[in-house]
Amino acid sequence: AQSVSQHNHHVILSEAASLELGCNYSYGGTVNLFWYVQYPGQHLQLLLKYFSGDPLVKGIKGFEAEFIKSKFSFNLRKPSVQWSDTAEYFCAVRSSSNTGKLIFGQGTTLQVKP
Amino acid sequence: DVKVTQSSRYLVKRTGEKVFLECVQDMDHENMFWYRQDPGLGLRLIYFSYDVKMKEKGDIPEGYSVSREKKERFSLILESASTNQTSMYLCASSEPRGRVNEKLFFGSGTQLSVL
Repeated sequence: AQSVSQHNHHVILSEAASLELGCNYSYGGTVNLFWYVQYPGQHLQLLLKYFSGDPLVKGIKGFEAEFIKSKFSFNLRKPSVQWSDTAEYFCAVRSSSNTGKLIFGQGTTLQVKP
Repeated sequence: DVKVTQSSRYLVKRTGEKVFLECVQDMDHENMFWYRQDPGLGLRLIYFSYDVKMKEKGDIPEGYSVSREKKERFSLILESASTNQTSMYLCASSEPRGRVNEKLFFGSGTQLSVL
C-alpha cells in the first residue's frame, strides 16, 4: 500500500532561515506528488505539484520541491522563510494509475519566529 | 473561485447517534473526497467518489458511509457515532486526474465532538 512519511513533525525557525521539509513515499510505480499548506484558520491549499518533467518544481510564495526518484523523496524547500510562512505543511502522493486517491503524510508544523 | 461548503463548522453529538456531514461544491467537479484530520496523523482518506452514485473506500472507511446522489453534494454518514470519531472532517473536490489545473479544493472543515 502507498504511504507517505514526513520526518519532521514540528520545526521552529527564525525569519530568513532556510527551510527544508522532508517527505518520503513508498510506492513502486509512477506517482504524482503534492505539497499542501494550511495557514492558521484557513483552508488547505495547494503549494505545488509534480506530475512529470523537470524534477525541480516551483510553487507559490517562493517554495520549491525536488523529486528524487531514486530516494522516493519530494522535499520542500524555501531559501528564506518569513513569519507568514507559519503553517502546517502536508506532503501527498497518488499513484498515477489510480483514479484519484490521494494519500497524505502526517504533516509538519512550521513556526517562524519574527 | 471554487467553493466547497461544509454545512457545519462545529458539531457535538452523543455516542450512538446517526450523524450526517454535508458537503457541497459549486464547480461541477467530478471527484469528491472525505478526509479526517487528527493531530500527528495528518489527513486520512475515508471515502471518495469520482461520479454520481459512485463511491470508493479510502484507508479508514470503517464506521462511515457516504452518499452521492447529485454531482455537487457528497454526504458523510456516521451510522452510530463513537468517541473515537471525534475529529476534524474535511471535504474536498477536484477535477478528474490529469487535468492541467488539477488540485484539491478543501472546505473549511467540520469539527465533530462525540460525547
